[in-house]
Amino acid sequence: DIQTTQSPSSLSASVGDRVTITCRTSQTVSNYLNWYQVKPGKAPKLLIYAASYLQSGVPSRFSGSGSGTDFSLTISSLDPDDFATYYCQQTYSNPLSTFGQGTKLEIK
Amino acid sequence: EVRLVESGGDLIQPGGSLRLSCVASGFPVSSNYLSWVRQAPGKGLEWLSVIYTGGSAYYADSVKGRFTFSRETSQNIVFLQMNDLRADDTGVYFCARVRAPRTYSLDVWGHGTTVIVSS
Repeated sequence: DIQTTQSPSSLSASVGDRVTITCRTSQTVSNYLNWYQVKPGKAPKLLIYAASYLQSGVPSRFSGSGSGTDFSLTISSLDPDDFATYYCQQTYSNPLSTFGQGTKLEIK
Repeated sequence: EVRLVESGGDLIQPGGSLRLSCVASGFPVSSNYLSWVRQAPGKGLEWLSVIYTGGSAYYADSVKGRFTFSRETSQNIVFLQMNDLRADDTGVYFCARVRAPRTYSLDVWGHGTTVIVSS
């Protein structure tokens, strides 16, 4: 099984800050790596697919990079709406898939 | 509008069965892959299952042999039949559309339905 590990597990930041969340997989997943935003009581939202492609409608302050085993999600300037929990997901092992454990982004 | 709406969540005793439904609108389930994902209280997202356009379904080890993913294409609905439920099956269950075969990302999600397994 491919293990997917995110860091940090939680992060405090201020509006306007630049933040980066990382995701590491236990073996190469090429670019089969996606990022999601989850808020309580709401449908999860796809942000980035194939490691670096911005999903339609997602603000350009979100970006993704990486390939192989190391990936990152960067928010260039935090907006109040961005405080949420973020998950990476590897789909290289399709049909099976795994999510990272999540990174909770909180207001400092 | 492309949309998914889940239903069927309930309070159920351990060992019981439950069937979740997910109604799709704006796209045909017959020509799309769909997945189920859950989130236990205070925990992260857990991928559970996917159904392919041909009807084949695949499962995470945690639910294999207990859960069955099926669909009714004439009504544009997919189902998750859950048997032998355990306390650790408690959580919010989401259905999602899979962008396949390029990236297998989950590009459309429902708001979820809550399952509580407790005596």
